[in-house]
Amino acid sequence: EAQVTQNPRYLITVTGKKLTVTCSQNMNHEYMSWYRQDPGLGLRQIYYSMNVEVTDKGDVPEGYKVSRKEKRNFPLILESPSPNQTSLYFCASSPWSLNTEAFFGQGTRLTVV
Amino acid sequence: GESVGLHLPTLSVQEGDNSIINCAYSNSASDYFIWYKQESGKGPQFIIDIRSNMDKRQGQRVTVLLNKTVKHLSLQIAATQPGDSAVYFCAESSGNTPLVFGKGTRLSVIA
Repeated sequence: EAQVTQNPRYLITVTGKKLTVTCSQNMNHEYMSWYRQDPGLGLRQIYYSMNVEVTDKGDVPEGYKVSRKEKRNFPLILESPSPNQTSLYFCASSPWSLNTEAFFGQGTRLTVV
Repeated sequence: GESVGLHLPTLSVQEGDNSIINCAYSNSASDYFIWYKQESGKGPQFIIDIRSNMDKRQGQRVTVLLNKTVKHLSLQIAATQPGDSAVYFCAESSGNTPLVFGKGTRLSVIA
């Protein structure tokens, strides 16, 4: 089954404790991205990657890092999480172009206390 | 910067009626538009898309209309069902830029 898989689905952590949210897709898509979703603000892009070893900042990259060492995986790293990073995070992938349907993961609800 | 928005944050419709969800965009260079449905606790799911060389596209019970003159996009759902209750997002992109999402409209279907 074609899918985008995020882990964990839920995470509660403390301020400053490094964490990684994993994202994996099995569709051989070149393009992957991370979004955060907050009430009243919709989906805002954090980082995106056009292909292996190619990453770019989205609209709200501060406090986040990503890596794309292999095509299928695109982890989101929070080196020192803060409470304002409490949010619902989505990973997405799409084939060959940005101007095409993006497939979303099920989301990761992160709470930073 | 350019942004995508929605006219109405909430919409309530009677079961069986048609629903129309609207979206305004401000980037005249946008050439690709897409609608997503997000049910509670799930990630957004693709509904339908349209490119700027078209003004209408139909899917199963859904139709997307694009009016480039007034930069307006709409999603029409025929014979709305309880399972259509969700938040609907429009998104747009221009050239080879990432999708920009609107803030969403919550559709509630009244049985």
